[in-house]
Amino acid sequence: GDSVTQMEGPVTLSEEAFLTINCTYTATGYPSLFWYVQYPGEGLQLLLKATKADDKGSNKGFEATYRKETTSFHLEKGSVQVSDSAVYFCAFDTGGFKTIFGAGTRLFVKA
Amino acid sequence: GAVVSQHPSWVICKSGTSVKIECRSLDFQATTMFWYRQFPKQSLMLMATSNEGSKATYEQGVEKDKFLINHASLTLSTLTVTSAHPEDSSFYICSARISGSSRGGELFFGEGSRLTVL
Repeated sequence: GDSVTQMEGPVTLSEEAFLTINCTYTATGYPSLFWYVQYPGEGLQLLLKATKADDKGSNKGFEATYRKETTSFHLEKGSVQVSDSAVYFCAFDTGGFKTIFGAGTRLFVKA
Repeated sequence: GAVVSQHPSWVICKSGTSVKIECRSLDFQATTMFWYRQFPKQSLMLMATSNEGSKATYEQGVEKDKFLINHASLTLSTLTVTSAHPEDSSFYICSARISGSSRGGELFFGEGSRLTVL
């Protein structure tokens, strides 16, 4: 069935380090792909999205490319900041208006 | 941007009582809203899809008589946890999509409501 697999956390990095959070999905058809972020004490909010193969979503220095051949949507940032500490969720839209979420990856960034 | 507000943000109740959680879209209309449950260090589990003016669609394994959902207007959906028990303690989150948006449209989330049943 439809599912999302993302790397387990927590991920702990020093400020200015490079970040990669892996995400792969299993879905029928061609879903839209999302990364949502949940900062401490807040609800989820959209970080970036891509709606078709080879699209690159980007926001706040984060990027992810829709790779249809590997069914992946890995999140990257070249230089993380303490303020990036949060839980990151990979997700996709099944086309039936239902969104499937990964388990979430908690990121800690140390000063 | 579109704002979704949940109320209350946290609630403590005694076992056997019922608790209602509200989810409002403040600046847009939402034909469809979604209710999730989030366990500690786990992902969001979709409980049900709330449709304005009609019955909610529940996911497999979710008791519809336990978790009553009402979506009486285009801006308000409510989740009532009936006869709550300690195992119902959790973080409940709602989300909404702007009415008329096609697939690929983002979800807007409420802040979440933490329920503790004693």
